[in-house]
Amino acid sequence: GQSLEQPSEVTAVEGAIVQINCTYQTSGFYGLSWYQQHDGGAPTFLSYNALDGLEETGRFSSFLSRSDSYGYLLLQELQMKDSASYFCALPSGNTGKLIFGQGTTLQVKP
Amino acid sequence: DVKVTQSSRYLVKRTGEKVFLECVQDMDHENMFWYRQDPGLGLRLIYFSYDVKMKEKGDIPEGYSVSREKKERFSLILESASTNQTSMYLCASSWSGNEQFFGPGTRLTVL
Repeated sequence: GQSLEQPSEVTAVEGAIVQINCTYQTSGFYGLSWYQQHDGGAPTFLSYNALDGLEETGRFSSFLSRSDSYGYLLLQELQMKDSASYFCALPSGNTGKLIFGQGTTLQVKP
Repeated sequence: DVKVTQSSRYLVKRTGEKVFLECVQDMDHENMFWYRQDPGLGLRLIYFSYDVKMKEKGDIPEGYSVSREKKERFSLILESASTNQTSMYLCASSWSGNEQFFGPGTRLTVL
């Protein structure tokens, strides 16, 4: 089967850098995705890593190490609007199906 | 912009009622998904469809069925609603790639 683990909560201050970790177990690896969900809103896609290394998109970066079955989302120059839940997700085969982690709630404080 | 719409934002039903949740996407996506989201449990896949009239069970299909008669529309059906089906229901669609586009969600309360 497939499973993902991520911390349930992370707190950081405005302007800081925060890292949200995700470890996974899967028999077949097709990449690791990250989604953001604001309270009361719909999840939105942030990033996808298929290969080892860092992918950067503005203030957000995502890292993958396939040998360690580990990835993280790095948020820099934190803003209050970054307060949200962040989910890592594993694609399951080529059906487009995703298995989601339980989510990490990020609270950004002034 | 990709748009995924759901028929209701909030819905209140009684135990035993048959409930229909509708989802429509306007991007000609092959794949459509229904999730439920509960605090501390993340998003759990109920059913998904990779083509018209094709469906597959997700992780928690019990008590639910789905219908996909047209490519743009994917319906979730609760045959006989129960209180433990009170939840947020999210629909999503995608091409074969990894990016799923989500609707705004339907918060269903079963009394």
